[in-house]
Amino acid sequence: DQQVKQNSPSLSVQEGRISILNCDYTNSMFDYFLWYKKYPAEGPTFLISISSIKDKNEDGRFTVFLNKSAKHLSLHIVPSQPGDSAVYFCAASLTGTASKLTFGTGTRLQVTL
Amino acid sequence: DTGVSQDPRHKITKRGQNVTFRCDPISEHNRLYWYRQTLGQGPEFLTYFQNEAQLEKSRLLSDRFSAERPKGSFSTLEIQRTEQGDSAMYLCASRVVRGLNYGYTFGSGTRLTVV
Repeated sequence: DQQVKQNSPSLSVQEGRISILNCDYTNSMFDYFLWYKKYPAEGPTFLISISSIKDKNEDGRFTVFLNKSAKHLSLHIVPSQPGDSAVYFCAASLTGTASKLTFGTGTRLQVTL
Repeated sequence: DTGVSQDPRHKITKRGQNVTFRCDPISEHNRLYWYRQTLGQGPEFLTYFQNEAQLEKSRLLSDRFSAERPKGSFSTLEIQRTEQGDSAMYLCASRVVRGLNYGYTFGSGTRLTVV
């Protein structure tokens, strides 16, 4: 039972354009969502998060949008840079569960010149 | 802050052998987590410690797996009688419990190959 889903295994975007990565979840009890970035041979790196009481959180080039009614969140990267090429994981957590994270399967982003 | 370090980075072992991995968290972090990542999947929760106490274990953690965190510092994950299905990247993460920041710091992982 995949509670967090990233249906696009890969995405290719030109440098300078917007990258939009999508994530859907099935457990309506999740109340905190995070995005992680992973380069090969490294562990995931925390990127940005959002609480379920908000619908948007912005940090520099990265913005996360949350649509609770659709159980959907997205990560926007503007402008995309070649260094953004990595695998992006969406993760969800539930208050009171000791910050255990449930991850999606990841989306590989390639930013081309 | 030297980050979360894991040792070894790679381990190849024969089926049936025992293996042990080590994780050194960021020194002031009181929570330590183990995750497992297989090819094409996201990391899956295995277990976590609050200081030296192991507070939760996933059902993914069969009785061949054991984790310890003596004195609330480094942690070890041991797999006994390894099977080919144990081949995966084993990730350790730590965080300090403060507010609602759930952003763990992950180590680079130990990649286990069982042949």
